[in-house]
Amino acid sequence: GAGVSQSPSNKVTEKGKDVELRCDPISGHTALYWYRQSLGQGLEFLIYFQGNSAPDKSGLPSDRFSAERTGGSVSTLTIQRTQQEDSAVYLCASSLGGNLYNEQFFGPGTRLTVL
Amino acid sequence: SQQGEEDPQALSIQEGENATMNCSYKTSINNLQWYRQNSGRGLVHLILIRSNEREKHSGRLRVTLDTSKKSSSLLITASRAADTASYFCPRSSNTGNQFYFGTGTSLTVIP
Repeated sequence: GAGVSQSPSNKVTEKGKDVELRCDPISGHTALYWYRQSLGQGLEFLIYFQGNSAPDKSGLPSDRFSAERTGGSVSTLTIQRTQQEDSAVYLCASSLGGNLYNEQFFGPGTRLTVL
Repeated sequence: SQQGEEDPQALSIQEGENATMNCSYKTSINNLQWYRQNSGRGLVHLILIRSNEREKHSGRLRVTLDTSKKSSSLLITASRAADTASYFCPRSSNTGNQFYFGTGTSLTVIP
């Protein structure tokens, strides 16, 4: 079937506004990850969902960041009161399960620019 | 740091040559994966090697793992311009919840 999709592909917003980024994982994948990548940097883990378990939010940089995953499928990452340092590419990935051996399938990312 | 640290940071070779990049880590692992990223967008999984494996092949890719030295290497043989990308070796946490990514090796293959 289709791969991981993310929307929008690009988002330009003004400082202080809220933004919502969407991720549609591969059907049947129970694990979903959000990462952030600043220019020229590696991926920074943000949050992890696995089935119906409580999400691992340990990577969220501040309380302005939150994420939901409805019905074990689509996920939304919300950034409130955006700051310029939030500008980055936000990547979503899904995998069959959260064990140690499953490869992650990445979406194309959302490039967020905060003016 | 629990990150996989890729080395070198940047590598430039001629098409047809082999490219070797290395990954080091600090704590014990269950497996190590290599990913490729083109143009700063989504990553593509290349290969996974488990801690009880020493070498693995996939097409033009050869991965080795030395758990005593806590290091891995990725060899791309007969490189092509299309291999130009950044390569990452994330390490999974013991719980499997998190993957730690370094800054990657930026490979440029000159046609």
